[in-house]
Amino acid sequence: EVQLSESGGGLVQPGGSLRLSCAASGFSFSDYAMSWVRQAPGKGLEWVSSISPDDGRTFYTDSVKGRFTISRDNSQKTLYLQMKSLRVEDTAVYYCAKRDNNDYYSGRDVFDVWGQGTVVAVSS
Amino acid sequence: EIVLTQSPGTLSLSPGERATLSCRASHFVTSDYVAWYHQKPGRAPTLLIYGASYRATGIPARFSGSGSGTDFTLTISRLEPEDFAMYYCQQYGTPPNTFGQGTKLEIK
Repeated sequence: EVQLSESGGGLVQPGGSLRLSCAASGFSFSDYAMSWVRQAPGKGLEWVSSISPDDGRTFYTDSVKGRFTISRDNSQKTLYLQMKSLRVEDTAVYYCAKRDNNDYYSGRDVFDVWGQGTVVAVSS
Repeated sequence: EIVLTQSPGTLSLSPGERATLSCRASHFVTSDYVAWYHQKPGRAPTLLIYGASYRATGIPARFSGSGSGTDFTLTISRLEPEDFAMYYCQQYGTPPNTFGQGTKLEIK
């Protein structure tokens, strides 16, 4: 069974840092682009960042550029999101999501598998 | 970036009825690269449709997608109780990926 499991969320003060992890199983992790998508309380979905399968290309939404870093460890089948200089508006459930196919990656994603999400709360 | 506007904001229907949800893009969506998801409270989204009209694996035939260019539609032919949820469209034709604000499908 294809599964994604996020961890690392929590309560942090504005300006603080957190690192999220997403453990993957049930598929060939190194073949697929992976992404983070977030959802603020009571709001809709917002794509945050994506990473290509194996050549390190990364993509970010404008609001997190320079503050968030996506990375992956294919040997450990794990996706990461390092978040720095956190703001109140970063408060959300953060989902890890798998791209639906392993064609050449150009930042275009359909998300066919999602994790259960991890909560990040930024508050003083 | 391409902005997606979904309508209506809330749709109140009864089980067995037909639901029609709209998603309008601010610019042409390349190759009709539009996906639809539904999401129940406290749960992760589930992929329903990709490429505007292709059902994802395991999605029942009562779900169908249509449209091209800037106007896209999700139709649920006969609503089942488990279909009442939030629905989001997403475009992936022009990075960055963007989502609509959602349509809430509620029981009348």
